[in-house]
Amino acid sequence: AAGVIQSPRHLIKEKRETATLKCYPIPRHDTVYWYQQGPGQDPQFLISFYEKMQSDKGSIPDRFSAQQFSDYHSELNMSSLELGDSALYFCASSSRHEANYGYTFGSGTRLTVV
Amino acid sequence: GQSLEQPSEVTAVEGAIVQINCTYQTSGFYGLSWYQQHDGGAPTFLSYNALDGLEETGRFSSFLSRSDSYGYLLLQELQMKDSASYFCAVQGYQKVTFGTGTKLQVIP
Repeated sequence: AAGVIQSPRHLIKEKRETATLKCYPIPRHDTVYWYQQGPGQDPQFLISFYEKMQSDKGSIPDRFSAQQFSDYHSELNMSSLELGDSALYFCASSSRHEANYGYTFGSGTRLTVV
Repeated sequence: GQSLEQPSEVTAVEGAIVQINCTYQTSGFYGLSWYQQHDGGAPTFLSYNALDGLEETGRFSSFLSRSDSYGYLLLQELQMKDSASYFCAVQGYQKVTFGTGTKLQVIP
């Protein structure tokens, strides 16, 4: 079965640079979520999209932005990177038509800012 | 806002039963989910409780009491591969909020 695809798997950037993370949700899933997970931390909700419209916003810095495209893939854009942005970034997708509300997570992008 | 509390670490013996508790304070509660995450891996959905009671899925069961804002994950016949972090998560309208996670170590 198709899963949530994230790219790249690993990314190394320097401070003040820009990074773009991509997420391809499970086909027919209508909602995409982005989470940030620091070392030893729980996943922190950043932002979500339902049917290509932003549906909720969490602790996402103003330096970050995201969008969902017509093909339902989503991109998280991160500018003016800081050392503290180093983390695992997960994308997840779900469908409102699935009663169990379970999210399927991608394998994540490990961002290292040096 | 939402807050969830769960023990930070639990150690149990292979073949035994372990219960991981979760209490929560939240607005806009739809249900309680549980996720498993191995080191360096992605969270994997285990179970979801929208109503009070016990849901059983193989060796794993999850319980919810909405009146007590409390739930637990029960793992039976523990295996070494069950060593991982387990997160309870509150399902809100458009997002899931994760607890801080319980690191389960299964020992021989």
